[in-house]
Order: sequence, then structure tokens, then C-alpha cells
Amino acid sequence: AQRVTQPEKLLSVFKGAPVELKCNYSYSGSPELFWYVQYSRQRLQLLLRHISRESIKGFTADLNKGETSFHLKKPFAQEEDSAMYYCALRSSGGYQKVTFGTGTKLQVIP
Amino acid sequence: NAGVMQNPRHLVRRRGQEARLRCSPMKGHSHVYWYRQLPEEGLKFMVYLQKENIIDESGMPKERFSAEFPKEGPSILRIQQVVRGDSAAYFCASSSGQGSYNEQFFGPGTRLTVL
Repeated sequence: AQRVTQPEKLLSVFKGAPVELKCNYSYSGSPELFWYVQYSRQRLQLLLRHISRESIKGFTADLNKGETSFHLKKPFAQEEDSAMYYCALRSSGGYQKVTFGTGTKLQVIP
Repeated sequence: NAGVMQNPRHLVRRRGQEARLRCSPMKGHSHVYWYRQLPEEGLKFMVYLQKENIIDESGMPKERFSAEFPKEGPSILRIQQVVRGDSAAYFCASSSGQGSYNEQFFGPGTRLTVL
């Protein structure tokens, strides 16, 4: 069974402070990990995926297979980063089912 | 490309009525996924469909819920005899297929309220 855990429901940081949104996963195979973001009144959209190893809007995430984690980080938070963030895992076998975490609400305080 | 469309955006039903939620995938997409988001919870997978086929319905409640994706027209998620516990946001996503780079694109969701 595949599972994604986001331990924080709400994370509040001051503008300019570093951000780390935690994500841990459980999966026996080789997973694909993603971060999705949902800004207020907008639809869910893909932020980044581990396979691309890219930085989007200053956010990065590194897959740590030893710790089964895929934490999302940004060195300096901006007000426009305030949103709901979902970590997701796609299995490598079968039809590649996607499992989402419960989400973390990031609140950047001006 | 208008993206994934869902309608209605808000739906109010009384207990015992039927709810029909529609999802039109992005142009060129033949794979549709339905998710449910209960208050204070994350997105929970319900069903995955391709045109005229249900591929995985392991997340669907066994009773009252059904889904279809006909050859023509939108995908429909149908909830019969709704109960208060069905109140949630229902999201649809579509993709062009499977594989590492076939991203799921999400619709705006339908918020169902059962009175």
C-alpha cells in the first residue's frame, strides 16, 4: 500500500523566513513524488516533481529514499506563497495510481 | 484550451436525492480521475476511467456511487440517495495517458452540500 504523510496542517512563517513543508511516504517500490499547490480560489496545479530536479518559484524538493521523505523548501518565503500544498506519490507499477497527502496550509505573515 | 471543466461548481441536495457531477477533460485527454475532499482531509482517490472503461474504482464506496466516461460527452460521477456524509468537494483530473510525464490536470471542483 502507498501512503503519503504531511504532519503539519498549518505552517505559519514570517515573510523572508525559510520554509520547509514536510512530506514522508510509504511505498515498497520506486515512487515518483510531486508537490501540488492550490492558491486561494484557484484549482490544484502541479508545482514540481522530483524527477525533474527543478526549482519552481524558488521552491525545491529533494527525494531522500533513506528517510522516505520529499520535503518542500524555500529559503525566503513571500506573501504570494500562501496556499495549500499537497504532496503526492505515483506508483511505478500498474497504472501508476496517485496518492495525495492531507495537505499543509502555508501562511506567510507580512 | 479551457482546461478541465466541472459543473456544477456548487450543488445542494436534500437527503435521499441524487447528485450528478460532470467533468469534461482537457482536449485530447482520454483519462479521467475523480477525487473527493472531505472537510479537513486531503484528496482521496475514488475512480480512474478511460473512455468507456473503468480502470480502477477501488476508492469508490460500494453502494450509491457510480461513475462513467462515455465515448461522447463528459465523465459523470453519480451519487444516489445522498446522505449528509457525502458533503464534500469532488475534484476531477484528466491526463493524456500514463507514463512519467503525463501530468494530471485538475478541474475547479464541485462542492456538494447535502441538507
